[in-house]
Amino acid sequence: GQQLNQSPQSMFIQEGEDVSMNCTSSSIFNTWLWYKQDPGEGPVLLIALYKAGELTSNGRLTAQFGITRKDSFLNISASIPSDVGIYFCAGNGLIPGGTSYGKLTFGQGTILTVHP
Amino acid sequence: DGGITQSPKYLFRKEGQNVTLSCEQNLNHDAMYWYRQDPGQGLRLIYYSQIVNDFQKGDIAEGYSVSREKKESFPLTVTSAQKNPTAFYLCASSISAAVEAFFGQGTRLTVV
Repeated sequence: GQQLNQSPQSMFIQEGEDVSMNCTSSSIFNTWLWYKQDPGEGPVLLIALYKAGELTSNGRLTAQFGITRKDSFLNISASIPSDVGIYFCAGNGLIPGGTSYGKLTFGQGTILTVHP
Repeated sequence: DGGITQSPKYLFRKEGQNVTLSCEQNLNHDAMYWYRQDPGQGLRLIYYSQIVNDFQKGDIAEGYSVSREKKESFPLTVTSAQKNPTAFYLCASSISAAVEAFFGQGTRLTVV
């Protein structure tokens, strides 16, 4: 099946630092999504990307859909303690009617720890 | 309130018993998904449904079954054939396939 490789697996940073994480895939996706999960809760959508090359911001968060459709990154600027959590990328298949269309696949997650 | 409701939040079952996890949405979404999450792991897709009365196996469907008889409901049955059923189960929905999905709060299933 499709594989999403997300890196880094974990990050330990000081409050105020910027953070960058990325996802790569062996398959082409037509949608890239970024989620944050707090312990014991469901993931919450942060940013959705639909177009190759698209760069989208949501407050201190910025994400880009790679031009090859096989990668995406998420940046968090000026981190704060409440940014702590697990960040997931997710991708959805390209071809309507194809075997991977509508199959939302997730990366392994990046665990972010922010020290005050 | 509109949203996705999973119930119960915590569920305990004896080994060998089938158990059904509930997922209901009132967002009028066509697509629904079930994921399994193990401690420190990512989300693995069990089943997904793009439209009512239709569903497809995900990456780890063995030992699970689903139905999609109503647009708003997508229950997941964890059968006794599932070797390691203890996990955190997450349901999601999206207005259509290949767009952003929104998650419920999850059900933590413990089999003893």
